[in-house]
Amino acid sequence: KQEVTQIPAALSVPEGENLVLNCSFTDSAIYNLQWFRQDPGKGLTSLLLIQSSQREQTSGRLNASLDKSSGRSTLYIAASQPGDSATYLCAGANTGNQFYFGTGTSLTVIP
Amino acid sequence: AAGVIQSPRHLIKEKRETATLKCYPIPRHDTVYWYQQGPGQDPQFLISFYEKMQSDKGSIPDRFSAQQFSDYHSELNMSSLELGDSALYFCASSNQGEGWAGGYTFGSGTRLTVV
Repeated sequence: KQEVTQIPAALSVPEGENLVLNCSFTDSAIYNLQWFRQDPGKGLTSLLLIQSSQREQTSGRLNASLDKSSGRSTLYIAASQPGDSATYLCAGANTGNQFYFGTGTSLTVIP
Repeated sequence: AAGVIQSPRHLIKEKRETATLKCYPIPRHDTVYWYQQGPGQDPQFLISFYEKMQSDKGSIPDRFSAQQFSDYHSELNMSSLELGDSALYFCASSNQGEGWAGGYTFGSGTRLTVV
């Protein structure tokens, strides 16, 4: 079973700053790691998926990395915008049967 | 592109009533997962189905049951509802034939309120 931890639990930054969200997991036999965004009371929107054979994925201003040996993943957000304010969840799967979610980082970007 | 469809979007039930939530996966996805997210909590895995058979089981109460049908849609049946069952219920789908390479796609969820 994966145990997934996210630090920090909450983050507040001024608009335009670059920021990093951290995710750590306990089992290096991770198969997939996926980052999601969740707006209050809404569903989960997939941002980036990193498969075990990959080290990073990029989409627009987002870059996610995966280091299986250290049990860590990071989500880098460049030039943050107020619209980026949301909760960011990382989730890891060992064999693909179920994802284990972290507790999330609540991000507030201040205009 | 087609997404995971969940119905209903919102549901209000009284204690001890029964609720049925439906999930329609992305076409060609053969695996469905159910998650429960309580207020301020991260999603907790309930149960999953692959090719209409239960594949994994998490923290699903005995009062709940689920199945996957021949068209791959899934239903989560919840009986003897309790106030603590109020939560956002997510369904996700994936394709194991791709080796889960596509990851999960989540539906928008069903918000269940038990009064």
